[in-house]
Amino acid sequence: EVQLLESGGGLVQPGGSLRLSCAASGFTFSSYAMSWVRQAPGKGLEWVSAISGSGGSTYYADSVKGRFTISRDNSKNTLYLQMNSLRAEDTAVYYCAKDLFLDYGDYSYFDYWGQGTLVTVSS
Amino acid sequence: SYELTQPPSVSVSPGQTARITCSGDALPKQYAYWYQQKPGQAPVLVIYKDSERPSGIPERFSGSSSGTTVTLTISGVQAEDEADYYCQSADSSGTYPYVVFGGGTKLTVL
Repeated sequence: EVQLLESGGGLVQPGGSLRLSCAASGFTFSSYAMSWVRQAPGKGLEWVSAISGSGGSTYYADSVKGRFTISRDNSKNTLYLQMNSLRAEDTAVYYCAKDLFLDYGDYSYFDYWGQGTLVTVSS
Repeated sequence: SYELTQPPSVSVSPGQTARITCSGDALPKQYAYWYQQKPGQAPVLVIYKDSERPSGIPERFSGSSSGTTVTLTISGVQAEDEADYYCQSADSSGTYPYVVFGGGTKLTVL
């Protein structure tokens, strides 16, 4: 059974940093690209970032480029999102999502999602 | 930036057919995907590649495509289908592909 378990969310002040983790199990982690998708309170879904199965290619939404860094440790079956220079508009539930393919592309979509971790940016 | 447009809400009575549309200029060239999200839960994939249904998704869920519009159809709507529905596609016009979601449609079962 595929499981994705996010952790690391919490309350952080504007300008602060946070690192999210997503522990994966039930599939060959290194064979699939992974993404982070967020959802602000009462709002819709927003793709944030993606990483290829090998970890060699990374992709970011314009809204987080230069502030967030996606990475993965295939030996630990874990996906990460390092979030720096956080802003109030980054407040959201952050989901990790499994792609259907090894590499992220215009064919990407998501067959499994974690339950999400809430990040609140506020003073 | 590329946008996918969905109606904010759709209401139907139990047993009726619900149709949720999603419009976008690139949809004739890109597949669309549909997710169901119930309150407090993660999204669940219900349709992929415009009209394919993942295993475990009831047959009453179907998808179709025509020009710049894709449609999620739920036949014989049940109370448990009340949820938010999001379409997803991709914008390939930039340096790299950009996953894009529609704004979501709240399906109310009257």
